Amino acid sequence: DVKVTQSSRYLVKRTGEKVFLECVQDMDHENMFWYRQDPGLGLRLIYFSYDVKMKEKGDIPEGYSVSREKKERFSLILESASTNQTSMYLCASSYRGPGGYTFGSGTRLTVV
Amino acid sequence: GQQVMQIPQYQHVQEGEDFTTYCNSSTTLSNIQWYKQRPGGHPVFLIQLVKSGEVKKQKRLTFQFGEAKKNSSLHITATQTTDVGTYFCAGPDNNDMRFGAGTRLTVKP
Repeated sequence: DVKVTQSSRYLVKRTGEKVFLECVQDMDHENMFWYRQDPGLGLRLIYFSYDVKMKEKGDIPEGYSVSREKKERFSLILESASTNQTSMYLCASSYRGPGGYTFGSGTRLTVV
Repeated sequence: GQQVMQIPQYQHVQEGEDFTTYCNSSTTLSNIQWYKQRPGGHPVFLIQLVKSGEVKKQKRLTFQFGEAKKNSSLHITATQTTDVGTYFCAGPDNNDMRFGAGTRLTVKP
């Protein structure tokens, strides 16, 4: 069973902390994505990567950075967490070209 | 970039009634995808449509891609409580997919 695994299901962090969200896929997918999902706003793309060490900004990259040192792993970094970054974070991966995304189970981050 | 609009935002039906959600794009799409997200879950890929006018069925679900490849629909016949969730359409935008806001379906037993 193919999988996208996110390191934490729930996370509580303090304002100003540096936060790492990890995502690992076992499908040898080229593309990996980070979204955040908020009520009424749908899925918004933060960053994506189409190859190792490559990254592209999505719609809402401010306050975030990413790292992709290995093909299977895509990390989302909140440099200095703020309360407006409280959200559900979803990682996804896909093959290059047309094809569906496989999503992880999500990390619900609360910043207090 | 292209935008994908989805309507309705919410739909509440009685079990056994039909349900349809519509997706419209501002630009012609090379393909369109549909996902389902159960309450508390994550989006799960259902299907991809590629050809103009294409119709695909998965049991009680019927997916259509418009002739102009700018709109799509998902129709569920005789809804069941297991159909509850949010249905998203998504269209390609450069190197990623642009998701609609989703239609949240609730079903009254």
